Amino acid sequence: NAGVMQNPRHLVRRRGQEARLRCSPMKGHSHVYWYRQLPEEGLKFMVYLQKENIIDESGMPKERFSAEFPKEGPSILRIQQVVRGDSAAYFCASSPRTGEHNEQFFGPGTRLTVL
Amino acid sequence: TQLLEQSPQFLSIQEGENLTVYCNSSSVFSSLQWYRQEPGEGPVLLVTVVTGGEVKKLKRLTFQFGDARKDSSLHITAAQPGDTGLYLCAGRSYNTDKLIFGTGTRLQVFP
Repeated sequence: NAGVMQNPRHLVRRRGQEARLRCSPMKGHSHVYWYRQLPEEGLKFMVYLQKENIIDESGMPKERFSAEFPKEGPSILRIQQVVRGDSAAYFCASSPRTGEHNEQFFGPGTRLTVL
Repeated sequence: TQLLEQSPQFLSIQEGENLTVYCNSSSVFSSLQWYRQEPGEGPVLLVTVVTGGEVKKLKRLTFQFGDARKDSSLHITAAQPGDTGLYLCAGRSYNTDKLIFGTGTRLQVFP
């Protein structure tokens, strides 16, 4: 039973380029969450999606960042016109349900470096 | 803004020692999860506690959720080098599904 998969594991971009991060949830999970971990800091919530719907994007920067979870295929976190401050580890988590027993299982992360 | 403070921030101990990590907040959570994260990897779920006062044991690890659901602790008995890692608590508030992560406790166990 494969866990949460993320790719690429490492991504290097120059300032101004676009970064696309992909996340495939665990089999049977329809809820996807994205978190960002800056160097030497904890994980910060960015966005919560269900299939074809954004449920909560309260942690997402208002500009340059977008996320989607289409009916078919992985969830995508897209960062346009990257800046050095976007360098971080981006983690995706999935869960099979909501509510107080909402256990989130994390992928290995994508480490984004902006030159 | 909800915050989860963990203490201590860093802990270096010898194999065989016991330790306790604390996770405190002024906010009430509907559930709380503990994760361990190793360098270059994602957090791995250790346990979820849901009921105030709940105690869960996972081999040498004992987790407790405070009666008021504002705090939690993780106790490790007879620590081993394999316990080395970053321990994170994460709380889930009512009416939301996002997790609020603690500041983390970096544990190093020397043989």
